Amino acid sequence: SQTIHQWPATLVQPVGSPLSLECTVEGTSNPNLYWYRQAAGRGLQLLFYSVGIGQISSEVPQNLSASRPQDRQFILSSKKLLLSDSGFYLCAWNSVGNGELFFGEGSRLTVL
Amino acid sequence: KNQVEQSPQSLIILEGKNCTLQCNYTVSPFSNLRWYKQDTGRGPVSLTIMTFSENTKSNGRYTATLDADTKQSSLHITASQLSDSASYICVVRNDMRFGAGTRLTVKP
Repeated sequence: SQTIHQWPATLVQPVGSPLSLECTVEGTSNPNLYWYRQAAGRGLQLLFYSVGIGQISSEVPQNLSASRPQDRQFILSSKKLLLSDSGFYLCAWNSVGNGELFFGEGSRLTVL
Repeated sequence: KNQVEQSPQSLIILEGKNCTLQCNYTVSPFSNLRWYKQDTGRGPVSLTIMTFSENTKSNGRYTATLDADTKQSSLHITASQLSDSASYICVVRNDMRFGAGTRLTVKP
């Protein structure tokens, strides 16, 4: 069966520090991968999606970046965090032809 | 203009009561409509998917309906439980972008 994991689960970082959130999917190949962010009480905001290794599409211009170094690995990064980067980050995947999205456990980031 | 509108934005009901959440869409062409449930602090989970030919589909105490002519879907929750407290999000045509959905709170 397919599983998705992301880590770390919680993170408290100072403004200006770097960020790296990692997501891996197991049990499937060539998944579509997504990063979302959710502010408190708000809906999910799509940040990045990827349909293949090295292929990244950005939805919102910001100081975040994403990379897909391997087929089932998706990384969200920042060189310098801002206060506004605080939020709940979710990684998700689906397979080509199947729209259902499967989400990871989430990473809660607090920037102080 | 949003192509998917959900109502109400938030809803509070007492445990054991029924409720109905609405989803109106203008997305065309239509292929499917999916309802997700998102518990606080968790990622959304799919409850059900409706295709063009389906009018109603049940998943336990959740029943989704679809009227493709009026472009409306509803999610009916029967005999609500405290664990039904969550956000319910309607997604049309496998869109990867999610709206805010309806925030349901079930009180004892």
